[in-house]
Formats: sequence, structure tokens, C-alpha cells
Amino acid sequence: DGGITQSPKYLFRKEGQNVTLSCEQNLNHDAMYWYRQDPGQGLRLIYYSQIVNDFQKGDIAEGYSVSREKKESFPLTVTSAQKNPTAFYLCASSAQVAYNEQFFGPGTRLTVL
Amino acid sequence: AQKVTQAQTEISVVEKEDVTLDCVYETRDTTYYLFWYKQPPSGELVFLIRRNSFDEQNEISGRYSWNFQKSTSSFNFTITASQVVDSAVYFCALSEALSYGQNFVFGPGTRLSVLP
Repeated sequence: DGGITQSPKYLFRKEGQNVTLSCEQNLNHDAMYWYRQDPGQGLRLIYYSQIVNDFQKGDIAEGYSVSREKKESFPLTVTSAQKNPTAFYLCASSAQVAYNEQFFGPGTRLTVL
Repeated sequence: AQKVTQAQTEISVVEKEDVTLDCVYETRDTTYYLFWYKQPPSGELVFLIRRNSFDEQNEISGRYSWNFQKSTSSFNFTITASQVVDSAVYFCALSEALSYGQNFVFGPGTRLSVLP
């Protein structure tokens, strides 16, 4: 089945550690996105990538980094510079035009201990 | 800049009641696209519908219907005869024609609770 997978589902991190969240899609989509969702809040865009080897900062990129070496993969690293990383992280992908809906993965819930 | 407002933070209804979720948007583009997503307790966002700015025809899909009115910049979502499984957070979103994902803007969401 085509879709987006994210792993792990739950992640615990000690303060000062970097962690990497995985996102893989087999929908053959060019564009991929990372969002952060805090409890009771909407989605905020962290990074997006329109094509392999290219990505752009979203609204809240500070403390995060990404790479896009393959079309199918868009991993997100939460660095120790992110002051409040505890949140729900959602990855999405879409075809490369504005009218196409974004398809979402199941999310990763990150908790900093 | 574009913006999406969902003024209803939380709504509670009893099963079988009808409920309307409001969405008001702002954009300077003449061509744009509107979306509704459902986020059940599991967390994954599920795409429900897309409308483009040139098509104001209302749409019905089973118990779901959507009312798009450009005159009031609204794209409201109605669930008829609500069921417990409709309990979720619902997001309205806007995408402008000359943009890509960086301008896919979500509203804050409305949490719907359907009580048995």
C-alpha cells in the first residue's frame, strides 16, 4: 500500500541529546514537509522540501535540521538547540502543485525527560 | 498573507445531532484551494475534501457536506446525524495557487466531541 511511514511512534530524549525522526513515503511525491503540533494547537511548519537535495525553512526551523538525499526520505533531527522539543511531529508529502492535498504520516510523539 | 480562522475551539454534541464547523479564510490571491482534514485520537491527519476558488458548488458526501461562500470567505463543514466516530479535531486549510507547500496554511482546529 502507498503511504507515509514515520518512526518511531514514541521517542524519549534526555536534555542535550540530538534525535532523528524518520519519514519515508512511497507515493512518488516530490514535496515533503515536517510539522510540529503542540497540545491543543494547530500545525506549524518546520521545514519543507520541494525536490531532492533542496529544502527550505518553515515558520519554526530554529533548533531543527533536515536532509533530503532521496526522494522517498525526509528525516528530521531535533537538536539540543531546540529549547522546548516535547511535541507531536507530523510528516507529510504532496505532489508538486499547490492544489494537491498533503498526505500525512501517523506522527512521532517526542518527549524530553 | 493568508490566514485561516476556526473560531470554535471545542464543540460537544449528542449523537445524531447535526453540527457545523466554521472556517473563515483570508487571501489576496484570486486562485486558491481550501481543504478539510480530520485528526482522530490516533493523531494522523486524514484528508476529507479539496475545493478550488472557482467552484462554489456545495458538496455532499454521505453525512458530510461543505458550504463554500466566497462572498463571506467561508468554507463551513456540516456533519449530519453525528456519530461517536466523528469525534476528532478538524482542521481547515488554505493553499494559494502560486505557492507550494510553504503556503499551505492550517487553521487552529476545532475539537468535536460526539457523546453517545
